[in-house]
Amino acid sequence: EAGVVQSPRYKIIEKKQPVAFWCNPISGHNTLYWYLQNLGQGPELLIRYENEEAVDDSQLPKDRFSAERLKGVDSTLKIQPAELGDSAVYLCASSLVEEGEQYFGPGTRLTVL
Amino acid sequence: GENVEQHPSTLSVQEGDSAVIKCTYSDSASNYFPWYKQELGKRPQLIIDIRSNVGEKKDQRIAVTLNKTAKHFSLHITETQPEDSAVYFCAALGGGSYIPTFGRGTSLIVHP
Repeated sequence: EAGVVQSPRYKIIEKKQPVAFWCNPISGHNTLYWYLQNLGQGPELLIRYENEEAVDDSQLPKDRFSAERLKGVDSTLKIQPAELGDSAVYLCASSLVEEGEQYFGPGTRLTVL
Repeated sequence: GENVEQHPSTLSVQEGDSAVIKCTYSDSASNYFPWYKQELGKRPQLIIDIRSNVGEKKDQRIAVTLNKTAKHFSLHITETQPEDSAVYFCAALGGGSYIPTFGRGTSLIVHP
């Protein structure tokens, strides 16, 4: 069984530029999460999807961040424009059910210069 | 919202010793408590979890205990090995909220 796939693995951009991250969850997993992880800290939830519906997005800075999960499978997280403070690892995770075990992807390490 | 405190932030042990990492949570409605291991530059991976209807759970050298009254749960690793070296995160969620709250992590170093 393939795990959660994320791309790109690394991204370096200049501030004010846009950036997008892609996530392909484990097949059949209805719940998808996007997390932000700063160095030395635990993951912080940005948004949670149940199928194609965003059910928890209170932590998402909506002035610059957006996300979508078309057809309830793959998901894209976008930042526009990026700021220096956005440098972090962006993790995607999926689970079969809402309170089930979460499987994390390898993450995208974003560096904003 | 939920608040999870995790201690210690760093734990250094000799190979073969036991290691204990403790977490406290604030929301008494939380009912699911997973533990994740994250090696340097890799993804977090679930190593054990416990639900609020259980007080203890074991899986080989790893065990988790939960005290609902005191709202704390702990990870116990026995006979530690160098490959146990990693950052360990606890989390809490449930009670109608499916937003997991993670602790800040414990860096475990096992010296050969």
